Amino acid sequence: GAVVSQHPSWVICKSGTSVKIECRSLDFQATTMFWYRQFPKQSLMLMATSNEGSKATYEQGVEKDKFLINHASLTLSTLTVTSAHPEDSSFYLCSAIDRASNQPQHFGDGTRLSIL
Amino acid sequence: DAKTTQPNSMESNEEEPVHLPCNHSTISGTDYIHWYRQLPSQGPEYVIHGLTSNVNNRMASLAIAEDRKSSTLILHRATLRDAAVYYCIKGTSYGKLTFGQGTILTVHP
Repeated sequence: GAVVSQHPSWVICKSGTSVKIECRSLDFQATTMFWYRQFPKQSLMLMATSNEGSKATYEQGVEKDKFLINHASLTLSTLTVTSAHPEDSSFYLCSAIDRASNQPQHFGDGTRLSIL
Repeated sequence: DAKTTQPNSMESNEEEPVHLPCNHSTISGTDYIHWYRQLPSQGPEYVIHGLTSNVNNRMASLAIAEDRKSSTLILHRATLRDAAVYYCIKGTSYGKLTFGQGTILTVHP
């Protein structure tokens, strides 16, 4: 079945650091990727939609200059949390879909980000 | 756009069927009903989705009401590995998914 890989699985870094998270579709071409954030005991919250070769569309309240998204190829999207602070600590997830197919959206296993 | 409505939690015994309900009274004609489940510290796993007709796959069955305002996810024989948070989501087949709080399913041995 379709596989989406996220890297790294977890990261701990100091406040002020920028952190890049990768999301790869391993066996299909992901025309669209989505980035979510999930706080403990809460549901997933969509942050942005990323279409290959174009700028990401951010949900209301999500700072585009804070969360930089790049979707330069059909198999890779990256989320960079710039100048991360403790309140950015969360579980970040991506999902991917090939809009040309009838396959469902598949999720990566998430990246746990802890900012000290 | 209103999300779906699901019970906060449900319990089942191992090897018994489980019926997880979902209300989506504001569903549009082009919205699919998607079901995902999530284990702790993992990404959501696709379970099943459908538009109008009932659907079956190796994991579960999806029964959709005739007016499409509600649906039920059916796990035919629950196992301990089925314990998870189950999310019912309405949306297009290729668009963004708006997650609600989901149903926490507990399976007792």
